[in-house]
Amino acid sequence: DAGVIQSPRHEVTEMGQEVTLRCKPISGHDYLFWYRQTMMRGLELLIYFNNNVPIDDSGMPEDRFSAKMPNASFSTLKIQPSEPRDSAVYFCASSLGPRVETQYFGPGTRLLVL
Amino acid sequence: AQSVTQLDSQVPVFEEAPVELRCNYSSSVSVYLFWYVQYPNQGLQLLLKYLSGSTLVKGINGFEAEFNKSQTSFHLSKPSVHISDTAEYFCAVTPYGGATNKLIFGTGTLLAVQP
Repeated sequence: DAGVIQSPRHEVTEMGQEVTLRCKPISGHDYLFWYRQTMMRGLELLIYFNNNVPIDDSGMPEDRFSAKMPNASFSTLKIQPSEPRDSAVYFCASSLGPRVETQYFGPGTRLLVL
Repeated sequence: AQSVTQLDSQVPVFEEAPVELRCNYSSSVSVYLFWYVQYPNQGLQLLLKYLSGSTLVKGINGFEAEFNKSQTSFHLSKPSVHISDTAEYFCAVTPYGGATNKLIFGTGTLLAVQP
């Protein structure tokens, strides 16, 4: 299996632009997680899905952030409009079942908002 | 609510020396504990976990950790490190038996192994 796939790996954009991050979970996994990693706050869970349904989005920082999972093999995290403080590494993870220790992480998308 | 504190943001160590990375947690309920490793430009990998049973847990790459409930600690150690162990290490917890699937992470410790 190719593991969790994220694209793009790097994104540089200007403040105010829309940013879309993409994730393909491991085939057969029914949970998908989006995390954000910053120097100040470390790793934070933003949102997670079970069977394509958002279960907990309490970590989403504000309305500028939205996440969707239209099918079992694809999810997006969108920031509109982007701000410099959104600069971070965004990780996607997937798991088969709810056991957290079974989460497999993608390589991350490094986002820089100028 | 739970929180995780990693007391050292960076730990420099010479190759073949022993190392200990510290982790303390706070929780009003019992927790499961984990250590993850992140190599440069890669995602996180599970290093080891404590769910129940023996408080000394062995993981991959020669690492081990000991759960100390009275000290609310889960320190990670290795008797002899290699250059290839240079990475960021994250301690994490999740509530035992809870409905949440959330992992709460510490801020990470950068292990810098020098020749």
